[in-house]
Amino acid sequence: SQWGEENLQALSIQEGEDVTMNCSYKTYTTVVHWYRQDSGRGPALIILIRSNEREKRSGRLRATLDTSSQSSSLSITAAQCEDTAVYFCATPTSGGNYKPTFGKGTSLVVHP
Amino acid sequence: GALVYQYPRRTICKSGTSMRMECQAVGFQATSVAWYRQSPQKTFELIALSTVNSAIKYEQNFTQEKFPISHPNLSFSSMTVLNAYLEDRGLYLCGATGTVNSDYTFGSGTRLLVI
Repeated sequence: SQWGEENLQALSIQEGEDVTMNCSYKTYTTVVHWYRQDSGRGPALIILIRSNEREKRSGRLRATLDTSSQSSSLSITAAQCEDTAVYFCATPTSGGNYKPTFGKGTSLVVHP
Repeated sequence: GALVYQYPRRTICKSGTSMRMECQAVGFQATSVAWYRQSPQKTFELIALSTVNSAIKYEQNFTQEKFPISHPNLSFSSMTVLNAYLEDRGLYLCGATGTVNSDYTFGSGTRLLVI
């Protein structure tokens, strides 16, 4: 498996709090994508970070990538109820044409 | 913008029967289409990757005989689940990209229930 053997994680926070989700990967990659999946929908790309970027920001999102520890994180600042979703990290599958390989995901619930 | 429509959204089939799901790309040319199955625990399994003008590549544990895929043009792909059984239940997702080695846009999925 490309990913650590963690199960779907569940986080529950209050609106306005900050939250960080982590994932680790086993094989070399130069880019990590973060997706969110809303209930009843497919995953949607929200931010990607490349190996030369260490940190990437987009609005209230912040992604980090540490190639030495083969880990990435996604932080949400001042979480809002609409941030409730399942979040996945994904890396390009090695060999052949690119297609994302998804991690196990983190279910985030933001309470009002 | 790039959109992917996937249908049906939900289907129920009897054990041993087959069902077909379709994926339509709007606003871009779907050069590559990747089909996934997502378990109730949210785990993704890649079934196969179809790239126009290339052979469809199936992942381990998935075969063309069980999950035949058609990708006849740059806006459409379909996949059939043949002889569906309980273990085939899940959310089937198609993701498409217009550029090789670029980001994928996903449909909302087809949820397959087998009874």
